[in-house]
Amino acid sequence: GEDVEQSLFLSVREGDSSVINCTYTDSSSTYLYWYKQEPGAGLQLLTYIFSNMDMKQDQRLTVLLNKKDKHLSLRIADTQTGDSAIYFCAESTGTALIFGKGTTLSVSS
Amino acid sequence: DTEVTQTPKHLVMGMTNKKSLKCEQHMGHRAMYWYKQKAKKPPELMFVYSYEKLSINESVPSRFSPECPNSSLLNLHLHALQPEDSALYLCASSQDDRGFEQYFGPGTRLTVT
Repeated sequence: GEDVEQSLFLSVREGDSSVINCTYTDSSSTYLYWYKQEPGAGLQLLTYIFSNMDMKQDQRLTVLLNKKDKHLSLRIADTQTGDSAIYFCAESTGTALIFGKGTTLSVSS
Repeated sequence: DTEVTQTPKHLVMGMTNKKSLKCEQHMGHRAMYWYKQKAKKPPELMFVYSYEKLSINESVPSRFSPECPNSSLLNLHLHALQPEDSALYLCASSQDDRGFEQYFGPGTRLTVT
């Protein structure tokens, strides 16, 4: 079945790097996504990676994909207090997005 | 511009009321989605419209009735809701119904009393 797993919490200090991890089960997923949700807001598409790639970098964000282990990670360099939010990993199985439960990132100054 | 707008931002309704949620996008996207998100949970897909036709209904109760008047607008009509329907309702859109790059609106926070 389809399932996306994430750790629930991550706490870092401002200026450190944050790494949020995700595992998925559907090997036919074409795209994998990271969304950010701030309190009371909708979901912001941060970045995505095609399943035939193993890394994608976009400014402070680096996505790593290990297809063999079905493991996806999001690294945020120089984490800022404004990065505090819930981060959802999602896999695309055609039309539907299957979301993980979300990782709450807390950044302390 | 990757903006999806939703109105109202907040809605409180009684169990006998009829209300509607509205969603709009001007990105030329041909697929639009309704998701429901309960507190501290991930979004759950409710409906998908592709080229203005309902393509997916994830076994949603009939008290939720979607409508797509044109390619830019998506409505969700609400009638006889239950308190457990209180949630954040999110609209999203994508270029087509393959689900690639879904962009979300800010959501409508619905409270059913």
